[in-house]
This record gives sequence, structure tokens and C-alpha cells, in this order.
Amino acid sequence: EVQLVESGGGLVQPGRSLRLSCAASGFTFDDYAMHWVRQAPGKGLEWVSGISWNSGSIGYADSVKGRFTISRDNAKNSLYLQMNSLRAEDTALYYCAKGPTGRVMRAFDIWGQGTMVTVSS
Amino acid sequence: EIVMTQSPATLSVSPGERATLSCRASQSVSSNLAWYQQKPGQAPRLLIYGASTRATGIPARFSGSGSGTEFTLTISSLQSEDFAVYYCQQYNNWLLFGQGTRLEIK
Repeated sequence: EVQLVESGGGLVQPGRSLRLSCAASGFTFDDYAMHWVRQAPGKGLEWVSGISWNSGSIGYADSVKGRFTISRDNAKNSLYLQMNSLRAEDTALYYCAKGPTGRVMRAFDIWGQGTMVTVSS
Repeated sequence: EIVMTQSPATLSVSPGERATLSCRASQSVSSNLAWYQQKPGQAPRLLIYGASTRATGIPARFSGSGSGTEFTLTISSLQSEDFAVYYCQQYNNWLLFGQGTRLEIK
């Protein structure tokens, strides 16, 4: 069964850092692009960042550029999101999502269940 | 910068009727457009990619059309399980979602 399981969320103070992880199983992880998408409470979906199969192509939403860093470890079938200088507006449910190919600019065919990040003092 | 605009924000339709949802891009995204369905407490689910290709396991009552800047998602005969929020997403120039359309029971 294809599965994505996010972890690492929690309550963090403004200005601090947090690292999210996504564990993939049931497919050949290093064949596919991966993404982070967030959803603030009661709001819509926002693409955060994406990474190609070999980490050769990486992109970020303007709202997180310079603060967040996406990475992957194909040997561990894992995706990461390092979030620095967190702000209240970063409070959201963070989803890990899989692309249908190794290229970043494609739709997302598999989603995890998300991990909640709350930024508050 | 591309802007994706979905309309209407909320659509009220009776079960068994047809629903038509719209998505407009501020500049051409070719056919690089997807539609997702999200139910409360669940992750989104891919319905349509390439503007008109149904994803695996998606019923034939869901159809997508359009190219360039104007796109439509049509649900031909609404079932109870179709009432949800629908998002369009362009993937022509990085990735961006529309703000969503809530499909509710009339």
C-alpha cells in the first residue's frame, strides 16, 4: 500500500525552528518528486515547496522562501522540511504529497494525513 | 505571477443534478491544470489532471475541460458523497492552488 506519514509537528514559539519529516512506503521513493502543502485552519490549500526525484530542481512559495528548506534522503525513503524563523501565519496542517513522476511541476497523486504546526507564544 | 480564481465560492445543488465549477488563470497554463476534492477532516484527493484526464479510480461522472486560462469541472449527477470542497491547481509555472469552491446540498 502506498503511504505517506508526516511527523514533527507541534507547538513552537515565533522565531523558533521546527523540522518536519515524511516517511514514504509502498512505492519506489527515488523515482518521484515530492512536495509540502499546507492548510491553515478553515482555509484553502497552499503549496509550500517541492523537490524533484534527484533534488536537482527545488522550488518554494514566496511566503516561505529564505526561511524553509526542503530536502530528501532517498536511501531512507524520507522527505523533510526545515522551517526556520517561524511566524504565526505559518500555523497550519502540513501535508506531504507525491508527484506522479520525478519532475516537480506535476499534480499530486498521493497525500499523507498531515502534521499540525502551531506557532504561538 | 499567476493568480488562480475559482467561482463560485459556494455552489448549492440538489442531489442528482449537474454541478459546474469554474477555474480561471490570470495567464495561460496550457493544459497543466488539476482538480482535487477535499472532504472535512480528510486529505485532498486528485480527481483530474492534464485539465481533462480522470485520475485512477475516479468515477466517470467527474469530467474536466478547458485549456489556456479557462477551465471547468463538471459533476454530471451529484451523489451524496460529492458534497465537498474542490480546488483547482496549476502546475505550468511552479504550483498554485485556487481558493476553492464549496459544493453544498441544496
